[in-house]
Amino acid sequence: SAVISQKPSRDICQRGTSLTIQCQVDSQVTMMFWYRQQPGQSLTLIATANQGSEATYESGFVIDKFPISRPNLTFSTLTVSNMSPEDSSIYLCSVEGGRGGTDTQYFGPGTRLTVL
Amino acid sequence: QKEVEQDPGPLSVPEGAIVSLNCTYSNSAFQYFMWYRQYSRKGPELLMYTYSSGNKEDGRFTAQVDKSSKYISLFIRDSQPSDSATYLCAMRALPGSARQLTFGSGTQLTVLP
Repeated sequence: SAVISQKPSRDICQRGTSLTIQCQVDSQVTMMFWYRQQPGQSLTLIATANQGSEATYESGFVIDKFPISRPNLTFSTLTVSNMSPEDSSIYLCSVEGGRGGTDTQYFGPGTRLTVL
Repeated sequence: QKEVEQDPGPLSVPEGAIVSLNCTYSNSAFQYFMWYRQYSRKGPELLMYTYSSGNKEDGRFTAQVDKSSKYISLFIRDSQPSDSATYLCAMRALPGSARQLTFGSGTQLTVLP
């Protein structure tokens, strides 16, 4: 099974600043996913990141606010730009794999972001 | 209406109880069904997955899917305090279509010793 790490694990940021979250996987994967989990809410997909191509964003999420990089098959970053308190959430990256093969996903431990 | 509805709980049971967790969905394209467990301050961990209607058992866990009613359940037998976590149902459509998972809002479970 894939081992996924995220940095930072948590951060407290000021309004108007930006934070870049890193996701590292211990094996090469084609697709990586970025989710947001707001307090008491479910996981919502932000975007899908394939290596070598532009990320695909879900409705309600835009590249200017959440730019994503995917420089190789084991690494991705998500930037939360011009933050506001409404961006306070847990941000999770995931990759396909597990007992269900490409039908299921492994998740990283998450980055807990608080915006003041 | 949300695509996936999950009883939010919170649910508190004594150790040894049988726990039933449920989700309903509205999108008939969903064909793959999963249950994730999320401990506090951790990422979701895949517990069970299934493609077909019926029951699938793995140790103390049983996943049940009724596609005709668009209803899935997770049963936990002989529940333990270590089962205390938030349980998320997730589902996705057929291969070749969107590969993202759609999640329920999660049920917070506490098993009391």
